[in-house]
Amino acid sequence: EAQVTQNPRYLITVTGKKLTVTCSQNMNHEYMSWYRQDPGLGLRQIYYSMNVEATDKGDVPEGYKVSRKEKRNFPLILESPSPNQTSLYFCASRPDSINYGYTFGSGTRLTVV
Amino acid sequence: GENVEQHPSTLSVQEGDSAVIKCTYSDSASNYFPWYKQELGKGPQLIIDIRSNVGEKKDQRIAVTLNKTAKHFSLHITETQPEDSAVYFCAASGRAGFQKLVFGTGTRLLVSP
Repeated sequence: EAQVTQNPRYLITVTGKKLTVTCSQNMNHEYMSWYRQDPGLGLRQIYYSMNVEATDKGDVPEGYKVSRKEKRNFPLILESPSPNQTSLYFCASRPDSINYGYTFGSGTRLTVV
Repeated sequence: GENVEQHPSTLSVQEGDSAVIKCTYSDSASNYFPWYKQELGKGPQLIIDIRSNVGEKKDQRIAVTLNKTAKHFSLHITETQPEDSAVYFCAASGRAGFQKLVFGTGTRLLVSP
């Protein structure tokens, strides 16, 4: 089944403890992106990647890192999580520069205490 | 940068009625306008999209209209069914291009039997 897989689905952590949320797609898509969803704010882009070793900042990149060493994987790294990063996170991918529609993962609900 | 406003934030209709959700955008360079449906506990799913060279697009019970002069676009759902109940998001591509979708804040649609 064609899909974007995120792990974990739920995560509770403490301030300052580094964590990684994994994202993998099995559709050979070139473009991948991370969004966070907060009540009343919709979805805001954190980082995106156009291909392997090609990433760029979205609208809210502060406090996050990403890497794209393989086409299928696009992990989101929080080096020192803070409570304001408590949110619902989505990874998404799309085929190429012509097909614009994103396929989203099921989300990761992160709580930082 | 691009700013997308979405109204209403909540919409309640009776089964069989029509529902209309409206969005306005700020960047005249935007050329791609998708709509996503998010069901409880799931990631957003692309339901329909339109590009700036088209004024209207239909897919069964859903349609999207675009008015580039006024910089607004709308989602129309006819003959609503309870399974249409979800949160709907509009988005616009913005000046930065298709890789930086900017989302509206969402509309919670409730269809009552």
